[in-house]
Amino acid sequence: DTAVSQTPKYLVTQMGNDKSIKCEQNLGHDTMYWYKQDSKKFLKIMFSYNNKELIINETVPNRFSPKSPDKAHLNLHINSLELGDSAVYFCASSSYRNTIYFGEGSWLTVV
Amino acid sequence: AQTVTQSQPEMSVQEAETVTLSCTYDTSESDYYLFWYKQPPSRQMILVIRQEAYKQQNATENRFSVNFQKAAKSFSLKISDSQLGDAAMYFCAYRSAKGSNFGNEKLTFGTGTRLTIIP
Repeated sequence: DTAVSQTPKYLVTQMGNDKSIKCEQNLGHDTMYWYKQDSKKFLKIMFSYNNKELIINETVPNRFSPKSPDKAHLNLHINSLELGDSAVYFCASSSYRNTIYFGEGSWLTVV
Repeated sequence: AQTVTQSQPEMSVQEAETVTLSCTYDTSESDYYLFWYKQPPSRQMILVIRQEAYKQQNATENRFSVNFQKAAKSFSLKISDSQLGDAAMYFCAYRSAKGSNFGNEKLTFGTGTRLTIIP
């Protein structure tokens, strides 16, 4: 069983569209994250949630809206997609003071 | 704010040889964690090794070991007996241990080192 799973793995869409990426973890962790890896491979945190509560919001445009229906799920919805949103988006999870485990990434290409 | 620096964008090593990847970090905190993650072409982020700052002993995981120098704020990764499967991007990452909130424990990454293994 995959510990942190994201869907879809690949997503190609046109500018202006709205899309969602789903994430689920079966590790029993309380905290989940979204990270973005840009074309230069730089990884940066976007959001973190703890038990469905938003904790970190790193100056991400309002077009990005995370939603956590329960502590095992953290989805990312993106409105009005722009070319610059093309990246690999990683979901991750951890328990307090423990290692952060990553999903396999979702490759988003905006054309 | 904490920063992580990886000064070697690319490294290469002959198969079966040993290679060391450098990482330095800047922090005013005394309690934190350091990690090395491996990212193969599939882009999956795989944990290689973890070090707690309060531990003086260097962490080891099979062929992977670290040289943790707390005073120098240095955290290098040594890969022994390099194998073709070790070829990947390697990221050094820092995480504070004094998060006041559960969930406020983000990883700060370096820019990565691309490791090539020469057969």
